[in-house]
Amino acid sequence: GIQVEQSPPDLILQEGANSTLRCNFSDSVNNLQWFHQNPWGQLINLFYIPSGTKQNGRLSATTVATERYSLLYISSSQTTDSGVYFCAVGVGANSKLTFGKGITLSVRP
Amino acid sequence: GAGVSQSPRYKVAKRGQDVALRCDPISGHVSLFWYQQALGQGPEFLTYFQNEAQLDKSGLPSDRFFAERPEGSVSTLKIQRTQQEDSAVYLCASSLRSYEQYFGPGTRLTVT
Repeated sequence: GIQVEQSPPDLILQEGANSTLRCNFSDSVNNLQWFHQNPWGQLINLFYIPSGTKQNGRLSATTVATERYSLLYISSSQTTDSGVYFCAVGVGANSKLTFGKGITLSVRP
Repeated sequence: GAGVSQSPRYKVAKRGQDVALRCDPISGHVSLFWYQQALGQGPEFLTYFQNEAQLDKSGLPSDRFFAERPEGSVSTLKIQRTQQEDSAVYLCASSLRSYEQYFGPGTRLTVT
């Protein structure tokens, strides 16, 4: 099956810093989502981005489908950005998502 | 509008007991997915429904796991004769006709 690798596994930032989270995948996909899992375990949708670039406030994401990677950018980080960030990919309409192992982000005040 | 809801949020079962976990998808979403998330890991796919049809159950770990969605809305994941290795968070997700999935808060199952 498809493999998803996220890097770095852990990230510690000072409040106000910027960061880049990476997701590599092993095959062509037509679904790619970024999620933030908050301390209560809820998976919050950040981006649906199988290709191209999107921005939402301090967050932006880019997927280069031909090179099989996606990047999530967090600017001016805040303590509320702490948590685990997952990249998940899928193939085909309404098909199962395969998740990476996640990136644990800690933002210190 | 209302998101995906799951109940119960927490369940403690003694080894050998049967459990039933409920998922209420977003109204009108035809696709429903179940995932299992072990501690410190990403969610892993269990099964997928389109309306009432179970189209993919390749991720169910054993025949003790059974899922249904009889009227194409609410779904129940049932685990028979629970084992300690079943302890995990069980997540439900739904989607409309697009690919984007929306997740519920999960049910944390602890088997003692």
